[in-house]
Amino acid sequence: DSGVTQTPKHLITATGQRVTLRCSPRSGDLSVYWYQQSLDQGLQFLIQYYNGEERAKGNILERFSAQQFPDLHSELNLSSLELGDSALYFCASSVDQQASNYGYTFGSGTRLTVV
Amino acid sequence: GQNIDQPTEMTATEGAIVQINCTYQTSGFNGLFWYQQHAGEAPTFLSYNVLDGLEEKGRFSSFLSRSKGYSYLLLKELQMKDSASYLCAVSSGLAGKSTFGDGTTLTVKP
Repeated sequence: DSGVTQTPKHLITATGQRVTLRCSPRSGDLSVYWYQQSLDQGLQFLIQYYNGEERAKGNILERFSAQQFPDLHSELNLSSLELGDSALYFCASSVDQQASNYGYTFGSGTRLTVV
Repeated sequence: GQNIDQPTEMTATEGAIVQINCTYQTSGFNGLFWYQQHAGEAPTFLSYNVLDGLEEKGRFSSFLSRSKGYSYLLLKELQMKDSASYLCAVSSGLAGKSTFGDGTTLTVKP
């Protein structure tokens, strides 16, 4: 157990639907990052939060949104889902923004399948 | 933008040494990470380089040359369990976000 908790582990939903993925960072970590990993592709950066504030944004679609709450957990909302959104969605956390020396701690991911 | 290149696949023999290269182009460089990812699992942190030179950690070592935009991960005394994808990631900018390469799939054969 890495200390980063992601729920649910698996999600199957239909096109056009909306889902929410949840992430609780490791205790003491203030930064949360969301990444998308499609089949046979690398990790694509979506968005980063630090202590409740958005810090950096990647190629996140307008249909996707996220937030970090006062208790530091984060949610990634995916709407108007398309088949191409099927992927592993990872949440990672780090104690600070630079993630120096210890890198990111990743959760086990949410596997989203859109049918 | 950022560009990170690493070989797609490599094969090596159990007990041997393998070097996985990574080249990058970025602005606002903070540091470079290496992660290991087994199929279907989460990436796990291996090493971090912020200054030029070699960092050794057991069987794994990582090297960085900032002027050349180059890093490598050296794996010694390969074991079957080292078969995995190895991800090079560059941290940049004030926010310190990491951009990942597509990963190098290493297959260790008996």
